[in-house]
Amino acid sequence: KNEVEQSPQNLTAQEGEFITINCSYSVGISALHWLQQHPGGGIVSLFMLSSGKKKHGRLIATINIQEKHSSLHITASHPRDSAVYICAASFSGGGADGLTFGKGTHLIIQP
Amino acid sequence: GAVVSQHPSWVICKSGTSVKIECRSLDFQATTMFWYRQFPKQSLMLMATSNEGSKATYEQGVEKDKFLINHASLTLSTLTVTSAHPEDSSFYICSAVRDPRQPQHFGDGTRLSIL
Repeated sequence: KNEVEQSPQNLTAQEGEFITINCSYSVGISALHWLQQHPGGGIVSLFMLSSGKKKHGRLIATINIQEKHSSLHITASHPRDSAVYICAASFSGGGADGLTFGKGTHLIIQP
Repeated sequence: GAVVSQHPSWVICKSGTSVKIECRSLDFQATTMFWYRQFPKQSLMLMATSNEGSKATYEQGVEKDKFLINHASLTLSTLTVTSAHPEDSSFYICSAVRDPRQPQHFGDGTRLSIL
């Protein structure tokens, strides 16, 4: 069964802290996605990766294919980073494949 | 960047009404569009995969006669919830893919409330 597990479910931190959100998946994937969902529900794709590491601004995503594990890191966190972060996987077919989602991590960064 | 427009943003209607939701890729041609659903405090779930000019592929447990998907062009897919009931109340969101090697681009979602 294709499953995506994400932790923690909730995370509250102080501004400036280094944030890590973890994701594990059950079977081989073609791509791992990190998404950001805003309070209104809209979703923004942050990263799509199948190996190694990607960085965009203060966000870093890594994936370990052998361990079936990915992490999303936020450096120098800021209150505007507060959102739900969702890990999702494409289990076949690359990007043209529907995603299987984790339950999300509700992140609150306090000033 | 790639923009996906979803309309309407929210709908409140009576039980038995049919509701149509539109998903448009504004600045690119989408080879594939997806429809997802999210119930309160639950994960997003894939409902169906839609390719232009062909029948949508529905996930297990999603009734194709209830959730009609039309993908008439490379920039427009519609989801019609037929004879909606309160249990269909949910957040529906679409996404579109220009290139399978690129991330999906999401609409802003539609909050559907059936009274």
